[in-house]
Amino acid sequence: QKEVEQDPGPLSVPEGAIVSLNCTYSNSAFQYFMWYRQYSRKGPELLMYTYSSGNKEDGRFTAQVDKSSKYISLFIRDSQPSDSATYLCAMSGNRGSTLGRLYFGRGTQLTVWP
Amino acid sequence: DGGITQSPKYLFRKEGQNVTLSCEQNLNHDAMYWYRQDPGQGLRLIYYSQIVNDFQKGDIAEGYSVSREKKESFPLTVTSAQKNPTAFYLCASSKSDREETQYFGPGTRLLVL
Repeated sequence: QKEVEQDPGPLSVPEGAIVSLNCTYSNSAFQYFMWYRQYSRKGPELLMYTYSSGNKEDGRFTAQVDKSSKYISLFIRDSQPSDSATYLCAMSGNRGSTLGRLYFGRGTQLTVWP
Repeated sequence: DGGITQSPKYLFRKEGQNVTLSCEQNLNHDAMYWYRQDPGQGLRLIYYSQIVNDFQKGDIAEGYSVSREKKESFPLTVTSAQKNPTAFYLCASSKSDREETQYFGPGTRLLVL
């Protein structure tokens, strides 16, 4: 079993839709959770960062972490064609093998059509 | 303008040839990382360096080598021992190995002739 599981999609939605992206993980040592956005043939860019459980909102983006279920989500409201990209979840911890490195999901490919 | 640069953008390797991918950062970050990305796959860690003159193997280090002689630079050599080198290679850096967030360069696409 991989440390981090993420459905690769592809996911295709109309402009204006609410998008929900999810990852599950198995290692309870993970404490820090990130979402990266990667446009085609580009490097990933950090989109959201969350520590431990809870919600974080930034404009149209909301990140949720449920550590009891080992489940994280990224919601995109009022999705735009410019949101079309691959979204990667990543996480790290503060002990053992989780310290000092990131563990990535496979990425979910999202297309928002006008 | 701070950031991470990778060169070249595209690289072609012949059978049996070693090639070196460049990664430079001017963010004054201590830690640097190399990842490999294959289609439909997440990022897999090749090597990482927490400080100058020190580096550790990641999950898929076989067939690769690195050096860290300067804080700003972390070149990756893909050796002839790497039998399936075609992939997108990404370099990243973070303030330290205790810093969770990593910042990525634009990537190098390596193709085998």
